Amino acid sequence: AQSVAQPEDQVNVAEGNPLTVKCTYSVSGNPYLFWYVQYPNRGLQFLLKYITGDNLVKGSYGFEAEFNKSQTSFHLKKPSALVSDSALYFCAVRGLNQAGTALIFGKGTTLSVSS
Amino acid sequence: GAVVSQHPSWVICKSGTSVKIECRSLDFQATTMFWYRQFPKQSLMLMATSNEGSKATYEQGVEKDKFLINHASLTLSTLTVTSAHPEDSSFYICSATRLAGVETQYFGPGTRLLVL
Repeated sequence: AQSVAQPEDQVNVAEGNPLTVKCTYSVSGNPYLFWYVQYPNRGLQFLLKYITGDNLVKGSYGFEAEFNKSQTSFHLKKPSALVSDSALYFCAVRGLNQAGTALIFGKGTTLSVSS
Repeated sequence: GAVVSQHPSWVICKSGTSVKIECRSLDFQATTMFWYRQFPKQSLMLMATSNEGSKATYEQGVEKDKFLINHASLTLSTLTVTSAHPEDSSFYICSATRLAGVETQYFGPGTRLLVL
């Protein structure tokens, strides 16, 4: 069964420092992987995705993610964190649902960037 | 591009009434729309998948008579919570995929439902 794990409930980082939000996945076949961000009382905003190609994927707001097939990971990274990056981050993988395909989300990681 | 709107953003209703939530793709045609439910500090739970002109496909455990989904056009899907009860209070989020896109879902801002 397809699944996504985000092992950290919360990540704390100081502004200007690099940040990493971890994600590991379990799928059969080639993974389609996504990162979304959610601000309080808002829907999800798409950050980036990996379908195929380069293992390093660049996305919105300076975020990037590295696909690592051997470690089945897709960690989200940013070289220099901003206070405005504080939000809830979801990793997702395309999986199977009653209709055929859907996104399966991790439980989310709260990123807190302090000034 | 790829903007999805939801209306209303907030709704408070009495127990036993029905509430309709609209989801619109504003600048693209959506082959498929999805409805999710999110409880506080939890992940999104997929409720159903809807394709324009056909019946929605519901996930296991989601009551189709309780949560009516209509996908009338390539830009509009509606979720009606019928005979709402306090336990239906939640944050409902829709998403849509483009007609010719690959996999990416674009999410609406969500609708907060409070049933008294």
